[in-house]
Amino acid sequence: NAGVTQTPKFQVLKTGQSMTLQCAQDMNHEYMSWYRQDPGMGLRLIHYSVGAGITDQGEVPNGYNVSRSTTEDFPLRLLSAAPSQTSVYFCASAMGGGSSYEQYFGPGTRLTVT
Amino acid sequence: KQEVTQIPAALSVPEGENLVLNCSFTDSAIYNLQWFRQDPGKGLTSLLLIQSSQREQTSGRLNASLDKSSGRSTLYIAASQPGDSATYLCAVSRYGQNFVFGPGTRLSVLP
Repeated sequence: NAGVTQTPKFQVLKTGQSMTLQCAQDMNHEYMSWYRQDPGMGLRLIHYSVGAGITDQGEVPNGYNVSRSTTEDFPLRLLSAAPSQTSVYFCASAMGGGSSYEQYFGPGTRLTVT
Repeated sequence: KQEVTQIPAALSVPEGENLVLNCSFTDSAIYNLQWFRQDPGKGLTSLLLIQSSQREQTSGRLNASLDKSSGRSTLYIAASQPGDSATYLCAVSRYGQNFVFGPGTRLSVLP
């Protein structure tokens, strides 16, 4: 198993540009989530999904969209990038439905918005 | 709102020492608690997960305990090695899904 994969690893955007961060998992996990990690702020939840077709907001959802059309994929879209979205983004997945919900993380995408 | 703190923020120890990392959370109504390791510039690696009905979990030289009523967890690392140098994060979830993370403890094990 590849586990949780994320692309790209690095990205530089100009203010106002849009882009999609990709996340995929091959463990048939129901639950997937996106976090951002900023110095001094720790990891904060952006959006999450409990299954295909179901998404919800986390602690810091503004400026981001998600969709979950398949179990495997959970892309994160930045609609109009702002310097405040400069961060490291992590995708995570977990088995759902009464399991222990042990979270598995991807390697991260380092995003810089200029 | 759940808040998670970790003490100390940084720790430097000589190789071979046993050490304890602390994690505290404000809301004891948790489903589980998970300890992670993060190396610089890397993702998070799961170390141990403790469900709310459990008191401790062990994996090799690592032992994590959970006292839900007092809102505390400890990660015990036995016979520390330079390869243990990393940031250690604890995270709690209320329903098993959305984790709230602590700020981490940065550990340096000196040869």
